[in-house]
Amino acid sequence: AQSVTQPDIHITVSEGASLELRCNYSYGATPYLFWYVQSPGQGLQLLLKYFSGDTLVQGIKGFEAEFKRSQSSFNLRKPSVHWSDAAEYFCAVGHTGTASKLTFGTGTRLQVTL
Amino acid sequence: EAQVTQNPRYLITVTGKKLTVTCSQNMNHEYMSWYRQDPGLGLRQIYYSMNVEVTDKGDVPEGYKVSRKEKRNFPLILESPSPNQTSLYFCASSPLGQGNQPQHFGDGTRLSIL
Repeated sequence: AQSVTQPDIHITVSEGASLELRCNYSYGATPYLFWYVQSPGQGLQLLLKYFSGDTLVQGIKGFEAEFKRSQSSFNLRKPSVHWSDAAEYFCAVGHTGTASKLTFGTGTRLQVTL
Repeated sequence: EAQVTQNPRYLITVTGKKLTVTCSQNMNHEYMSWYRQDPGLGLRQIYYSMNVEVTDKGDVPEGYKVSRKEKRNFPLILESPSPNQTSLYFCASSPLGQGNQPQHFGDGTRLSIL
């Protein structure tokens, strides 16, 4: 069965510092991989996705993620964090078959200090 | 404006009293799904629908029903709610295509079952 691990429950960074959020997945084939962001009281917003091709994926709000098959990872990065990036971030893996199933990680809460 | 609209946003009710959470999208998406979000567990899929009259179980379907009579609507029905269904619920939609994974989320419905 597919699974996603986000090992960091809570991360605090200073505004302007770089950010990396970790995501490891377990899936038998090449997965579809996603990062979502959830601001307080809001639904989830898709930041970026990986289906195939270039392993470095660019998303919205200046985020990027790199798919590393050898490490089963899909870490999210941002070179310079803004206070408005404070939110909860979810990594998810999707089936590559016809079933439309997403499995989410448990999330990483990002706090940004000024 | 592209939207997934859930109602109600908040509901407190009692055990056994049937309730329906509505979900409507205005993007003509074929795929819709329901998730519940619980602390430390991330989001878990309850049910999903690939199109009108086509629904299937997700990871945690027990105690829930869905229907898809129209393309835009995908209500979640709790026939006999119990306290363990107290949670934050999200509806999501996306067009059919690569992965079919949800691209648009509603703002959530917080249910409290006493």
